[in-house]
Amino acid sequence: DAKTTQPPSMDCAEGRAANLPCNHSTISGNEYVYWYRQIHSQGPQYIIHGLKNNETNEMASLIITEDRKSSTLILPHATLRDTAVYYCIVRVVSGGSNYKLTFGKGTLLTVNP
Amino acid sequence: ETGVTQSPTHLIKTRGQQVTLRCSSQSGHNTVSWYQQALGQGPQFIFQYYREEENGRGNFPPRFSGLQFPNYSSELNVNALELDDSALYLCASSFPGQHIEQYFGPGTRLTVT
Repeated sequence: DAKTTQPPSMDCAEGRAANLPCNHSTISGNEYVYWYRQIHSQGPQYIIHGLKNNETNEMASLIITEDRKSSTLILPHATLRDTAVYYCIVRVVSGGSNYKLTFGKGTLLTVNP
Repeated sequence: ETGVTQSPTHLIKTRGQQVTLRCSSQSGHNTVSWYQQALGQGPQFIFQYYREEENGRGNFPPRFSGLQFPNYSSELNVNALELDDSALYLCASSFPGQHIEQYFGPGTRLTVT
């Protein structure tokens, strides 16, 4: 699985959009980009994933650059409850059942009142 | 909440002892993965079980072993505990064949003294 690079920490004001970047310059054609987050003292929570098209769900939007070497997770209206460590993960999705997730250190997003 | 439960919540053991951690998967999920999360680090993949058989393993020694039962609940066993085994142990359940959202439990905090 390709390596990812994320800033160690970011701040965001409550109600504003939070834009979390991820660099995955060695990504290959069959690797997807996944985002998970981990709120303090809880297990990680799936947010969103994508291959090359931009994706949106009820939690967030995922913008992947055309060359797929980087992506941005967007929380459109951050709340205090969005304070968490956000992990960007790149992995191959196959038809098999081995779904190992390789976590880095992630980005600690702090949403301030 | 994800429907994945883990027990116990916290545990203190002495170096050299053995420990068993338990995980109850979300209903219908027949794949379970175990992760170790040291303080300040992202979760690290230990192994995965699918239909009661090990289906992939990370870089962990053989003293880390597991079981999955017919009801898809799971155990993680660690023998000859070392101080570095102190960590949060997470289990995650999922369906195979999907783009994978793994549902994580809240974890068991193991302290080895």
